[in-house]
Order: sequence, then structure tokens, then C-alpha cells
Amino acid sequence: GIQVEQSPPDLILQEGANSTLRCNFSDSVNNLQWFHQNPWGQLINLFYIPSGTKQNGRLSATTVATERYSLLYISSSQTTDSGVYFCAYTGGFKTIFGAGTRLFVKA
Amino acid sequence: DVKVTQSSRYLVKRTGEKVFLECVQDMDHENMFWYRQDPGLGLRLIYFSYDVKMKEKGDIPEGYSVSREKKERFSLILESASTNQTSMYLCASSSSGGTAYEQYFGPGTRLTVT
Repeated sequence: GIQVEQSPPDLILQEGANSTLRCNFSDSVNNLQWFHQNPWGQLINLFYIPSGTKQNGRLSATTVATERYSLLYISSSQTTDSGVYFCAYTGGFKTIFGAGTRLFVKA
Repeated sequence: DVKVTQSSRYLVKRTGEKVFLECVQDMDHENMFWYRQDPGLGLRLIYFSYDVKMKEKGDIPEGYSVSREKKERFSLILESASTNQTSMYLCASSSSGGTAYEQYFGPGTRLTVT
């Protein structure tokens, strides 16, 4: 099955800094989601992005399906951005999650 | 906005009790899912349902059952709770059409079995 790898596993930022999180997949995919899991445990949808680029405020994402990767950009980070970021691919009824990038933004 | 709600944020139960976790979605989604999340193990699929009264086992169904009597509601049942079922439980839903792969999650239930 398709493998999903995320990097870096951990990231510490000073408030205001920018960052790029990466998601690599082992084969071509036709769908991809990015989630933010907040400190209370809820998984919040950030982007559904099978290809191309999307932006939502300080966040943007780009998926290059032919090269098997997706990137999540966080600009001007805030302490509320802390948490774990997951990318995920769904095949049939099974969703494969990456291991996540744990982000801590310092005030 | 899609809204998925779960009946409890925190739950403490005793070993051997029967436990019901409820999940409700308001977007008329056909598909609903139950996951558990444990440190170091990620999210694991317990059961899913693609229609009313239909259910399929996920990767770790042992010790669990589910019920889907109405389209909007998907219940996870722990027939006899055990301490190894202490975990974070997450419910999700998705449509069968359009962006069928886009899942929406509820806030989660942290279950502790003592």
C-alpha cells in the first residue's frame, strides 16, 4: 500500500517565523488532506488538495502529484499554530495518515 | 460548515462496563468512521459505515461493535470495557460523491478505563 512520510518530525519556531512542512508519498495519489490536531485533540481540516496550490490566510499548501509530495507553508506563525500537523491519503475507505509534524511556537 | 459532534469530550469508565460513544454529523454524509489514536501508534481505523445499517471492520475491530440506525448517527460500543481500551476516540464522516476522500472529524472523546 501507499506509504506517507512527513518531515520534519518536530519543529520549534519563534512566533512570527515561517515554516514549511513536507509530506512524501510512495506512489501517485489522487487525493490528499492536511489536518491540524490542536492541543485538545481535535483534527481540524486545513486543506483538501489533490493537486495545485491553495491558500487560506497565513496557511497555504501545494501538492505536486507527479512528484509525489505536498508542502504546507505556515507564515508569521502564532502560538495558536502549535500542535501536530498530519497529511493523509484516502484509498477506498481506508485513510493513511503520516506520522505527523509536531510544531511548537514560542511566544 | 460540516459539523461532527461527539457525545462526550472526557469519559471515565470501570473495567467491564458497557460503553457507548455517540457521533452525529449534520452534512448528510454517507460514510462514517471510528478511529482510536494512541501515542506512537497514530490513528487506527476501528469500524466504518458507508450506509445506514451497513458496517465494515477496520484494522482493529476486536472488542468493539458499532450501530448505524440513522444516517446522521454512528455509535461505537465497547461491550465490556478493558484498560487497554483507554484511548482517544475520533469519529469522522465523508461524502460518497464529489470530494469523497475529504474526511471531517469530531472533537474526540478521551476515554479512561480504570
